[in-house]
Amino acid sequence: GQSLEQPSEVTAVEGAIVQINCTYQTSGFYGLSWYQQHDGGAPTFLSYNGLDGLEETGRFSSFLSRSDSYGYLLLQELQMKDSASYFCAVRRHSGGYQKVTFGIGTKLQVIP
Amino acid sequence: GAGVSQTPSNKVTEKGKYVELRCDPISGHTALYWYRQSLGQGPEFLIYFQGTGAADDSGLPNDRFFAVRPEGSVSTLKIQRTERGDSAVYLCASSPGAAGTDTQYFGPGTRLTVL
Repeated sequence: GQSLEQPSEVTAVEGAIVQINCTYQTSGFYGLSWYQQHDGGAPTFLSYNGLDGLEETGRFSSFLSRSDSYGYLLLQELQMKDSASYFCAVRRHSGGYQKVTFGIGTKLQVIP
Repeated sequence: GAGVSQTPSNKVTEKGKYVELRCDPISGHTALYWYRQSLGQGPEFLIYFQGTGAADDSGLPNDRFFAVRPEGSVSTLKIQRTERGDSAVYLCASSPGAAGTDTQYFGPGTRLTVL
């Protein structure tokens, strides 16, 4: 089977740094993506890791360790607008294409 | 054009009724996906189209659910004999390339409420 685990809720202070972890178990693993979703909004793509290591995009960075089946999303210089749900999602080979499976999401609350 | 659009944004129906949910993907995107999202959960895969054909419909929960994409652009998700458990936000996403290798762009979703 397959599973994705991430914390259900995280609270952090404006201006601080927060790390959201994701562990996964799946066959045919190809890579790990992160999506952001504000309440009532559509999920939007943040980052993708196909190889081990760190990917940086502005205030957001994402890390992958394939040997540990582990990744994380790092948000720096937190802003109030970063309050949202963050989903890790695995890409895996399935039936000749890369299927995306989402975790349950981590609800991040940024407080003043 | 603009992003992925979905209509209606909200749909309230009675148990046992038939509903259709529409998705307009980004122009030129060949891949289209339907997901279902319940409160406090991540998007749950339903079906993937590559062009006009359903390449993977393994996520459809039962035979009351059906989706089409006759011209390789707009897609319609059809639910027959709706049940209260079908209440959720139905999300559509599209991506430019084949085989699901690209970033998926999501629409705002249709919130379905079955009374």
